[in-house]
Amino acid sequence: NAGVTQTPKFQVLKTGQSMTLQCAQDMNHEYMSWYRQDPGMGLRLIHYSVGAGITDQGEVPNGYNVSRSTTEDFPLRLLSAAPSQTSVYFCASSTGGTGGYNEQFFGPGTRLTVL
Amino acid sequence: TQLLEQSPQFLSIQEGENLTVYCNSSSVFSSLQWYRQEPGEGPVLLVTVVTGGEVKKLKRLTFQFGDARKDSSLHITAAQPGDTGLYLCAGEGLQGAQKLVFGQGTRLTINP
Repeated sequence: NAGVTQTPKFQVLKTGQSMTLQCAQDMNHEYMSWYRQDPGMGLRLIHYSVGAGITDQGEVPNGYNVSRSTTEDFPLRLLSAAPSQTSVYFCASSTGGTGGYNEQFFGPGTRLTVL
Repeated sequence: TQLLEQSPQFLSIQEGENLTVYCNSSSVFSSLQWYRQEPGEGPVLLVTVVTGGEVKKLKRLTFQFGDARKDSSLHITAAQPGDTGLYLCAGEGLQGAQKLVFGQGTRLTINP
């Protein structure tokens, strides 16, 4: 199993450009999430999905869109990139259990720089 | 909004020393997870604690969940250079599994 895969690994954008960060998992997990990681701020939840066709906002959703048409894929779209979106982005999947049964499996991350 | 405060944010010690990392909140969590992250990679789960007062050991690492389920600690005995990395705590809120709240992280460096 490949686990959680993310592409691209690195990306440089100019302000105002749009792009899609790809995420795929082969573990048949219902739950998928997008986080951003900034120095000194840990991981912050952007958007998450509890299954195909169902998405919801996390802590920092502004400037990002998501959709979930299949169980395997959960792309993150930046509609008009801003320098404040410079960050490392992680996609994660889990079985979605509660009470401690929700280990997050993370992808390797996408390092995004917006100039 | 639930917050998790990790301390210290940076820690650099010599091989063989002991250390403790703290994860504190004013909120109650249904469970708390500890992750370790290597440079250029995503975090990997080390342990999950669920019951107040629970203690779990992973070789030289000891994890404890506070009695009130508001705080947790990670203690490393006889630290080794291989323990170097970013340690993150994450709390599962009472409102659901997908609302994990992460602490800021502790960047640990073990010098040979």
